[in-house]
Amino acid sequence: AQTVTQSQPEMSVQEAETVTLSCTYDTSESDYYLFWYKQPPSRQMILVIRQEAYKQQNATENRFSVNFQKAAKSFSLKISDSQLGDAAMYFCAYRAGASYGKLTFGQGTILTVHP
Amino acid sequence: GAVVSQHPSRVICKSGTSVKIECRSLDFQATTMFWYRQFPKQSLMLMATSNEGSKATYEQGVEKDKFLINHASLTLSTLTVTSAHPEDSSFYICSARVDRDSVLYSNQPQHFGDGTRLSIL
Repeated sequence: AQTVTQSQPEMSVQEAETVTLSCTYDTSESDYYLFWYKQPPSRQMILVIRQEAYKQQNATENRFSVNFQKAAKSFSLKISDSQLGDAAMYFCAYRAGASYGKLTFGQGTILTVHP
Repeated sequence: GAVVSQHPSRVICKSGTSVKIECRSLDFQATTMFWYRQFPKQSLMLMATSNEGSKATYEQGVEKDKFLINHASLTLSTLTVTSAHPEDSSFYICSARVDRDSVLYSNQPQHFGDGTRLSIL
C-alpha cells in the first residue's frame, strides 16, 4: 500500500521569507502523480501544485515550487515570498496512475505566517 | 472552472437521526466521486469510492451499512449517515473526478466540495 509522510506537524515563516515543507512517500508503482493541497481555515481544499512522476522537471506555480527527488521518494514544497494568505494546513497527496483518482494524503503541516 | 457543490455545509442533529449529504458536480460529468472524513487538525481519510450506476467501494474499516452511498447519476452522489451517533461527528468532504474524455481533465482531474460539518448531539 502507498503511504505518504509529512514529518513536520507545524512550521512557521516570516512574511516575505521562504519556507520548505517536506513530504516523503512510498510506492512500488512507476506511474503516479503527486500533489500539494492547501486547506485554509475555511477547510476548502485548494490544489497548489502537481507533479507527474514521469517528468524530471520540477513543477512551478508562481511562488510555489517543488523539489521532486524520485529515487529518494521525496516531494517537498517551497513557498517563496510568503504571504499572510499562505497560512493554512498543507497536505501532500499521492495518486497512482491507474487509481482513477483515489488520493492518499499525508498527515498535514500547519503553516503559520508571521507579519 | 469546474465546481463541486456539497450540501449541506453544516448540520446539527440528534443522536439516532439519519443524515444525507449531497455532492454534485455542476459543470462536468463525474463517473467517480470520493468521500473523505476529516477530524480536527488531522488528514483526510478516504471512506469510499462512489461509482455511477454501481455499488460503492468502501475502504477497510468503514461500515457499509452505516455510511450508505448512492451515485444514481453522472453528477450526483449522496452519503447517508444512518442512525448517527456523537462519534460520527466529523467533517465530511467529497471530491469528483473529471472523466478523462472531458476537456476539463487536463487542467485539474479532481475537484473537492467545500465539506459538511456534521455534529451529532
